[in-house]
Amino acid sequence: DQQVKQNSPSLSVQEGRISILNCDYTNSMFDYFLWYKKYPAEGPTFLISISSIKDKNEDGRFTVFLNKSAKHLSLHIVPSQPGDSAVYFCAALGNAGGTSYGKLTFGQGTILTVHP
Amino acid sequence: DAGVTQSPTHLIKTRGQQVTLRCSPKSGHDTVSWYQQALGQGPQFIFQYYEEEERQRGNFPDRFSGHQFPNYSSELNVNALLLGDSALYLCASSFGGQAVITEAFFGQGTRLTVV
Repeated sequence: DQQVKQNSPSLSVQEGRISILNCDYTNSMFDYFLWYKKYPAEGPTFLISISSIKDKNEDGRFTVFLNKSAKHLSLHIVPSQPGDSAVYFCAALGNAGGTSYGKLTFGQGTILTVHP
Repeated sequence: DAGVTQSPTHLIKTRGQQVTLRCSPKSGHDTVSWYQQALGQGPQFIFQYYEEEERQRGNFPDRFSGHQFPNYSSELNVNALLLGDSALYLCASSFGGQAVITEAFFGQGTRLTVV
């Protein structure tokens, strides 16, 4: 049962343009969402997060949007740079009646390639 | 300030054998979580240790066990290895307590190959 889904295995974008990575979830108990970036031979690195009480969070070139009614979130990278080329994972935290203790549920990942 | 460190980085084992992976959390962190990432998939939560006890567990068989030491470092043990256990094993550290844990810091992982 895949509770967090990233339906696009890969995305190719030209340098300077916008990259939009999408993520859908099914569990309505998720109340905090995170995006991680992963380079080969490295562990995932935290990028940006959003609480379910918000619909947008910005950090520099990165913006995450959350649509709770659609159970959908997206990560926008503007402008995209070749160094952004990596695998991007969305992840969710649940709060099923108590603290979630940090059990992250990940999507399958999207490989982003930014061409110079 | 050292981040999360894992050892070894690569490991090859034979089916049926047992393996122990190690993790040292980031300085100041007291909680360690373990994840398994199969090829082409996202990381899957195995379990989490806090105050030397398993606090939460994912959908993994009892062949997967762990331990946390007083210095907060942790071990992941897998018994009776199967070919399907071949994966990247990631350790993540965070600061626990009773608060909701948000951003976790990951190590570079241990690549386990079972032949």
